[in-house]
Amino acid sequence: NAGVTQTPKFRVLKTGQSMTLLCAQDMNHEYMYWYRQDPGMGLRLIHYSVGEGTTAKGEVPDGYNVSRLKKQNFLLGLESAAPSQTSVYFCASSYTGLTEAFFGQGTRLTVV
Amino acid sequence: GIQVEQSPPDLILQEGANSTLRCNFSDSVNNLQWFHQNPWGQLINLFYIPSGTKQNGRLSATTVATERYSLLYISSSQTTDSGVYFCASANAGGTSYGKLTFGQGTILTVHP
Repeated sequence: NAGVTQTPKFRVLKTGQSMTLLCAQDMNHEYMYWYRQDPGMGLRLIHYSVGEGTTAKGEVPDGYNVSRLKKQNFLLGLESAAPSQTSVYFCASSYTGLTEAFFGQGTRLTVV
Repeated sequence: GIQVEQSPPDLILQEGANSTLRCNFSDSVNNLQWFHQNPWGQLINLFYIPSGTKQNGRLSATTVATERYSLLYISSSQTTDSGVYFCASANAGGTSYGKLTFGQGTILTVHP
């Protein structure tokens, strides 16, 4: 039982490049989330999903897209990376929207 | 959405001291969690506590939902307790359903 696994753990991108972050959970959770954490700040919600095939915008969705084609996976895409997207990205999952959430280990992304 | 405020923002302790961290939230909540982010950036679940009191070793937490606050108590602090402590909350109301909102965190430093 691995919990929530994020891939990759580190990445450096050039401005304008694209990439996809993968989040996988093996707990049969319905809800999945993507957050970003910037220095000195708490975590801010980018997008979330309440079940397979669904996605919704969070607090800071601009510049990101997501997909949830399979229940266990939630993908976060950056179509054209910008330096402002340099951050640590966390994925989380929970059984419902009001139950305990579990987080992955984070992905440190630098855009130069 | 819910506003979450944590205090104090910074806390410095000598090993063995006790401390209390506070989390205020702006609306009724159905989900309240405390996390510890260790120096390696990992988010560790401490408590899922939308109401009542729980204890786990030297740590305990109390949430008074009717007064919209939660407290995290750390007793006999150790250097390994250092890091950032976050509280996060969500409620069942409308567009806020299931959106876990984080406070800014309390940075705890425990000196030997």
